[in-house]
Amino acid sequence: DIQVTQSPSSVSASIGDRVTITCRASQDIRNWLAWYQLKPGKAPKLLIYAASSLQSGVPARFSGSGSGTDFTLTISSLQPEDFATYSCQQANSFPLTFGQGTKVEIK
Amino acid sequence: EVQLVESGGGLVQTGGSLRLSCAASGFAFRNYAMHWLRQAPGKGLEWVSVISGGGDYTNYADSVTGRFSISRDNSKNTLFLQMNSLTAEDTALYYCAKGPTVTTDLPYFDYWGQGTLVTVSS
Repeated sequence: DIQVTQSPSSVSASIGDRVTITCRASQDIRNWLAWYQLKPGKAPKLLIYAASSLQSGVPARFSGSGSGTDFTLTISSLQPEDFATYSCQQANSFPLTFGQGTKVEIK
Repeated sequence: EVQLVESGGGLVQTGGSLRLSCAASGFAFRNYAMHWLRQAPGKGLEWVSVISGGGDYTNYADSVTGRFSISRDNSKNTLFLQMNSLTAEDTALYYCAKGPTVTTDLPYFDYWGQGTLVTVSS
């Protein structure tokens, strides 16, 4: 199975800050990586697929980059609605696996 | 508007069974692969199973192989997860999620439900 290591586990930030979250896969997954936003009591939301493609309807302040084993999610200017947990997922092969999540908290 | 609504969760004893359902609307259900995922308390997301749009292909996580069975009724736009021989490790919020294509070639999840809670207790 492909292991996905996500860091940091939590980050404290202020409105307007730039936030960066990273994921590392245990083997080359080309660009087969997605990012999701999770909020309690709500349906998880796909933000980025194929490492850098923005899902329809997702604000442009979200961006993804990387290929191979190292990937990054960047929020360019944090907004109040962005305080949530973010999780990456490798889509290269089954079983599909996720990182442990990064909680973005208010500073 | 795409909607996915899970049901069937609850409290069950160790060794028991449950059948989860996911009612889909707002899209051509038969044209998309569907997945089940779960999140145990304090843990990250875990993919559980997938079924292709026509129901001819399925795949499972090792942790549930032989105990869980995924199926779908395209005439009723409903996805199912039959869960047998449940243990405490199966306690989680279970989500159904839609794939972006009829096959499993693009294993992303573009729409999710809000989940149904399964608690396994002795």
